[in-house]
Amino acid sequence: DVKVTQSSRYLVKRTGEKVFLECVQDMDHENMFWYRQDPGLGLRLIYFSYDVKMKEKGDIPEGYSVSREKKERFSLILESASTNQTSMYLCASSLAGGLQPQHFGDGTRLSIL
Amino acid sequence: EDQVTQSPEALRLQEGESSSLNCSYTVSGLRGLFWYRQDPGKGPEFLFTLYSAGEEKEKERLKATLTKKESFLHITAPKPEDSATYLCAVQAGGSYIPTFGRGTSLIVHP
Repeated sequence: DVKVTQSSRYLVKRTGEKVFLECVQDMDHENMFWYRQDPGLGLRLIYFSYDVKMKEKGDIPEGYSVSREKKERFSLILESASTNQTSMYLCASSLAGGLQPQHFGDGTRLSIL
Repeated sequence: EDQVTQSPEALRLQEGESSSLNCSYTVSGLRGLFWYRQDPGKGPEFLFTLYSAGEEKEKERLKATLTKKESFLHITAPKPEDSATYLCAVQAGGSYIPTFGRGTSLIVHP
């Protein structure tokens, strides 16, 4: 089974801090994604990556950046955390090509105080 | 712009009371549709992929169907452990990025 592991289940940070969320997958998937999930808004794509060192903006990239130095690891960075970035963050991975389902981690619930 | 609408937003059933969840979509060139299940505090878990109108997939008490403009997730004789949020997502055109609906929250009472 594919396993997508997010480094923290719960995280509390302060406004203005630089925050790193880490995601690792163990199935050699080419594609990796970062979403945030908020009540009533569903899943919104922040960034995705289709290869090492490659990244593309999703629907809501403002205030975020990403890093993919190794195929299995995709990091989400909040450059200067703000209270409106309090949310559930979900990482996913998928194979490249065709119609491939995504495999999700269990999420990081991030609170910015 | 691709749009995916799920209804109802929330559904309460008694154990054994069959029902259906709806996912309607407006996309250009559907390549396929996914169904996921999400338990509280967990990430979505993949259930089915449907590729073309008329296709059906089954897993235990769940059956997913697809037409040219919507998909249904039929739940037959549900049990309390079927309680979860069910998400659908469509993939269209040349994109490998799916568009998600907002989900249906299902609660099955014993």
